[in-house]
Amino acid sequence: SQQGEEDPQALSIQEGENATMNCSYKTSINNLQWYRQNSGRGLVHLILIRSNEREKHSGRLRVTLDTSKKSSSLLITASRAADTASYFCATVLSGSARQLTFGSGTQLTVLP
Amino acid sequence: KAGVTQTPRYLIKTRGQQVTLSCSPISGHRSVSWYQQTPGQGLQFLFEYFSETQRNKGNFPGRFSGRQFSNSRSEMNVSTLELGDSALYLCASRPSSREGYYEQYFGPGTRLTVT
Repeated sequence: SQQGEEDPQALSIQEGENATMNCSYKTSINNLQWYRQNSGRGLVHLILIRSNEREKHSGRLRVTLDTSKKSSSLLITASRAADTASYFCATVLSGSARQLTFGSGTQLTVLP
Repeated sequence: KAGVTQTPRYLIKTRGQQVTLSCSPISGHRSVSWYQQTPGQGLQFLFEYFSETQRNKGNFPGRFSGRQFSNSRSEMNVSTLELGDSALYLCASRPSSREGYYEQYFGPGTRLTVT
């Protein structure tokens, strides 16, 4: 079963705007990762944030983690049409064999 | 380095048949994981292999099995196919299953349709 939920399920914005996606999870984690999936293809790793980190940046991506609320957010700044994809958060649980447990995903559409 | 490759990319099978999917990890990666993706259940972990040993298994029936060869290539098998097995099957590799190696590299997937 999935670890948690993502919000919103779908998001449509104009090119140049910022996109924010949220992820909630249920149990203690070792780290949380964000992946992107273009229509029906494999997933691409975007960024990893460890449980002792609160914020991380990578290019136009900014990820925050609030372990007290068991939630994370992914911000994509100055979005482009090429950012259109599904975005998934995935957690690695504390003490687990380090498998990924995925959220339900957010479908982002960036309109040119 | 070449990425993770999966064969075949598309497959159509009939209920009751069995199917074998193949995954070649990135060169040097010894851990291979399999995931099933469906519209209803999302992405779910099937199993992970490291050094030819199954290290972890998800909550799937025994009809789902896998193995890993000495060159780290992996296969998964689904026997007695059901309509609900229609899904995108994704393979992912990483250098090790040990602590610190968390980022996974995914292949393009095999789209299985059961009729």
